[in-house]
Amino acid sequence: SQTIHQWPATLVQPVGSPLSLECTVEGTSNPNLYWYRQAAGRGLQLLFYSVGIGQISSEVPQNLSASRPQDRQFILSSKKLLLSDSGFYLCAWSPGALANTGELFFGEGSRLTVL
Amino acid sequence: AQTVTQSQPEMSVQEAETVTLSCTYDTSENNYYLFWYKQPPSRQMILVIRQEAYKQQNATENRFSVNFQKAAKSFSLKISDSQLGDTAMYFCAFPISEKLVFGKGTKLTVNP
Repeated sequence: SQTIHQWPATLVQPVGSPLSLECTVEGTSNPNLYWYRQAAGRGLQLLFYSVGIGQISSEVPQNLSASRPQDRQFILSSKKLLLSDSGFYLCAWSPGALANTGELFFGEGSRLTVL
Repeated sequence: AQTVTQSQPEMSVQEAETVTLSCTYDTSENNYYLFWYKQPPSRQMILVIRQEAYKQQNATENRFSVNFQKAAKSFSLKISDSQLGDTAMYFCAFPISEKLVFGKGTKLTVNP
């Protein structure tokens, strides 16, 4: 069966420090991968998605970047965190095109607090 | 533009009663899927129910059903016999190409 893991679950970082959130998927190959950010009252905002190794699409200009060094690994990074980067980050995967399958499988989430 | 709108930020219902969550969307597509996702306080998001736009019959999954009105672009979720475990954030979602666009969510509280 397929599983998705993301870590760390909780992170408190000072402004200006770097960030690395990791996500891995097991039990499948060539998944589509996604990073969402969830803020109170604003739903889920898609940050990045990837349909293959090295292929990253960015949805909104921001202080963050994403990379996919391996087929089932997706990393969210920042060189210098801002206060506005605080939030709950969700990694997700889908087995193919969402228009065909529609279902996203989510990780447990990572709570980032920037002080 | 393709958007998803949930107009009810919060709702509450008594245990065993029925509640309906609203969702409207805007698209120029003819064939598509619509989804309701649930995010309980433990935070892991899961799919509740899926509707295919070309199917006239409303989708049903146990106590969860949808009222899909394609012409009105409305996709509401009905929860029957509400249980305490139904307390969660509920998100309506719509796929656009390789992405899933979510509404802002409705926080549902089931009261004992």
